[in-house]
Amino acid sequence: EAGVVQSPRYKIIEKKQPVAFWCNPISGHNTLYWYRQNLGQGPELLIRYENEEAVDDSQLPKDRFSAERLKGVDSTLKIQPAELGDSAVYLCASSPGTPRHYEQYFGPGTRLTVT
Amino acid sequence: QKEVEQDPGPLSVPEGAIVSLNCTYSNSAFQYFMWYRQYSRKGPELLMYTYSSGNKEDGRFTAQVDKSSKYISLFIRDSQPSDSATYLCASYSGGYQKVTFGTGTKLQVIP
Repeated sequence: EAGVVQSPRYKIIEKKQPVAFWCNPISGHNTLYWYRQNLGQGPELLIRYENEEAVDDSQLPKDRFSAERLKGVDSTLKIQPAELGDSAVYLCASSPGTPRHYEQYFGPGTRLTVT
Repeated sequence: QKEVEQDPGPLSVPEGAIVSLNCTYSNSAFQYFMWYRQYSRKGPELLMYTYSSGNKEDGRFTAQVDKSSKYISLFIRDSQPSDSATYLCASYSGGYQKVTFGTGTKLQVIP
């Protein structure tokens, strides 16, 4: 069974430029998460989707971050414009959904560097 | 205070040693407790999860939860160089439907 797929793996951009990350979850997983992981820290939730619906986006900086999950499968996370502090690893995860939200499977992440 | 606290290490042990990794948590609402392994430049990999208090064993790995003291442990027997990674503990509350991660402990097993 294929795991969570993310692309690109690495991205270097200048500040104020836009950037987008793509995620394909494990087949059959209804719940999809975007996390941000800073160096030496654990992942921090940005947004959670149940199918197409964003059910928890309380930690998403909505002035510059946006996300979508069309058709309840693939998802895209966008930053526009990027700031130096956005440099981090952006992780996508999926889970079978209720009640198994504790069982999350992560992709390899996208390492973003903003210069 | 973070809801899940974890010593960042690094922890260095010789090959074959028994490793003990520990976390504490503060939220009594947490019901599930997970351990993830993260290799350098990779995503976290779910190792095990435990519901409420008790022990769970999977091969060389044993997870232990003591809810009375809010203490979470992962034991690795016969440690191998391939176990060298960062280990993240995490806790989950069904009420919040949210996983809270510790900062991770970096483990190095020396051949």
